[in-house]
Amino acid sequence: EPEVTQTPSHQVTQMGQEVILRCVPISNHLYFYWYRQILGQKVEFLVSFYNNEISEKSEIFDDQFSVERPDGSNFTLKIRSTKLEDSAMYFCASSEAREKLFFGSGTQLSVL
Amino acid sequence: GDSVTQMEGPVTLSEEAFLTINCTYTATGYPSLFWYVQYPGEGLQLLLKATKADDKGSNKGFEATYRKETTSFHLEKGSVQVSDSAVYFCALKLNSGNTPLVFGKGTRLSVIA
Repeated sequence: EPEVTQTPSHQVTQMGQEVILRCVPISNHLYFYWYRQILGQKVEFLVSFYNNEISEKSEIFDDQFSVERPDGSNFTLKIRSTKLEDSAMYFCASSEAREKLFFGSGTQLSVL
Repeated sequence: GDSVTQMEGPVTLSEEAFLTINCTYTATGYPSLFWYVQYPGEGLQLLLKATKADDKGSNKGFEATYRKETTSFHLEKGSVQVSDSAVYFCALKLNSGNTPLVFGKGTRLSVIA
């Protein structure tokens, strides 16, 4: 069964550093998403991406965040200057239609 | 705003016990409701869904009924197995517009033999 792949599974970085989280969505999917879950809190929507542009974003997704689909297969989330509060599990998801999302296993980001 | 509240975990049950995980929602419009499950080391995957009031979603022995009058979508299973140990997430999505899935915090279930 096709799956969404995220790398790395764990990322440790220093505060103020840039990080790029990588995702390979399912190949025929058209919609791409990033969610995150801070420990003990809800899974929060960050951004959705369709037709090579952001279709919706939450208030969490400020100027420090950006997404890109650089080569037609990868979907990346960049955090320009990480803060302690960015520490979370980041989930990538993709879908063929908007309703049934397929999630990756997540990247645990730890900002020190 | 739209939100989902689910019971706090962790929930620990013996094999073959009855499971209920409560979920209630608040929505500004008319939502579809979902349960996602995350097994250890894996991503969230759709377990079941219901798109309108009184619909019952079911999969792998799990069921949930969309109750508009109580704004609830409680997850139930009659006889849990060790392999059901996972984190369960209730979620909603408005049926209008390109709105994202809104999740609850998740409830960790541990089933012991």
